[in-house]
Amino acid sequence: AQSVTQLDSHVSVSEGTPVLLRCNYSSSYSPSLFWYVQHPNKGLQLLLKYTSAATLVKGINGFEAEFKKSETSFHLTKPSAHMSDAAEYFCVVSVKWRRNNNDMRFGAGTRLTVKP
Amino acid sequence: GAGVSQSPRYKVAKRGQDVALRCDPISGHVSLFWYQQALGQGPEFLTYFQNEAQLDKSGLPSDRFFAERPEGSVSTLKIQRTQQEDSAVYLCASSLDASAVHNEQFFGPGTRLTVL
Repeated sequence: AQSVTQLDSHVSVSEGTPVLLRCNYSSSYSPSLFWYVQHPNKGLQLLLKYTSAATLVKGINGFEAEFKKSETSFHLTKPSAHMSDAAEYFCVVSVKWRRNNNDMRFGAGTRLTVKP
Repeated sequence: GAGVSQSPRYKVAKRGQDVALRCDPISGHVSLFWYQQALGQGPEFLTYFQNEAQLDKSGLPSDRFFAERPEGSVSTLKIQRTQQEDSAVYLCASSLDASAVHNEQFFGPGTRLTVL
């Protein structure tokens, strides 16, 4: 079985300071990992994905994440927050455990607030 | 349009009514997914189509939930005899090919269902 835990339900940072959104996963297989962002009244948008290539993954809008198998973590970071980064962020683990079954699990989400 | 669209965006139903939610995926996308997102939670998988074939419906919470994609493009999620616990945002996503584990899913804006 797969599961994902986002360790913080809410993170608040000041504009221009670093962002860290934490994600731990559990999987019986080699997973693919994703971060999605959800702005109010908009659809979920892919930030970045890890699919067993490089462990440090760069995404859009300056975000990156590092896959650490030993720690079963996939934390999302950004060096300098922008006001437009305020949104809900979801960590996702995905495993193909049978020919026609993709098990895709979302975390509960982390709401990022950016203060001026 | 270029993205995934869903209609209606908002639906209010009285308990016991049947509802139908529509999803128009990106043209040419093979895979289509439905998710249920309760307030304050991450999306939870409901069902998955590859073209017109429903390959995984393990996430449907009861036999009141039914989904179809008869021509391999537009999909409809139907909920019969709605209950208050069905109140949620229903998200549709599509993916270019059948290897959904590794590929980005493109999400629609969702349909917010409220059952009174």
